[in-house]
Amino acid sequence: KNEVEQSPQNLTAQEGEFITINCSYSVGISALHWLQQHPGGGIVSLFMLSSGKKKHGRLIATINIQEKHSSLHITASHPRDSAVYICAVRGSGGSNYKLTFGKGTLLTVNP
Amino acid sequence: GAVVSQHPSWVICKSGTSVKIECRSLDFQATTMFWYRQFPKQSLMLMATSNEGSKATYEQGVEKDKFLINHASLTLSTLTVTSAHPEDSSFYICSAGDSAYNEQFFGPGTRLTVL
Repeated sequence: KNEVEQSPQNLTAQEGEFITINCSYSVGISALHWLQQHPGGGIVSLFMLSSGKKKHGRLIATINIQEKHSSLHITASHPRDSAVYICAVRGSGGSNYKLTFGKGTLLTVNP
Repeated sequence: GAVVSQHPSWVICKSGTSVKIECRSLDFQATTMFWYRQFPKQSLMLMATSNEGSKATYEQGVEKDKFLINHASLTLSTLTVTSAHPEDSSFYICSAGDSAYNEQFFGPGTRLTVL
């Protein structure tokens, strides 16, 4: 079993729909990242969370440390949101930034 | 957020040649830089961790003599793929750790194709 599990693996939505992508992890962490990777490969860091909830525009990320679970929500989805969304966790202890990645969720938003 | 650049964005080379990829942190000092490799439809795999002024730490299975990493300054790390072969064709991504914000910023990646 991977240390970081994402669901679903693939998600297709219609423009305007509310989207949720989930991430569960099995180790103690100091932080969790949500990343976006567009076709062509470039990676954009969306959020870094260690507790609670963060919001940026139409994106919302939450984390429940006790349940070892995080969700990424996209409100009013748009075709330009189509990308792979990756959850990555940073282990606890020390200043090591090493990340463990989930396999990603491929989101396709149709017009 | 902070900006990390990579150069080149793509490169095509002949088998047996060496290729150097640069990773720069443009507006912050990166004490730690990471090099990842990503094969099609797979997640990022950490190759090595690079600390400024010291030798890189390589992940298990990554040949340090083949993938040479130099982190000579707080804003520049380089990855040299020596004697490249077609199986080295991949997407190489760097990231930089900013201790001030306790965060990691990713570069746009370099696509290497070895013919």
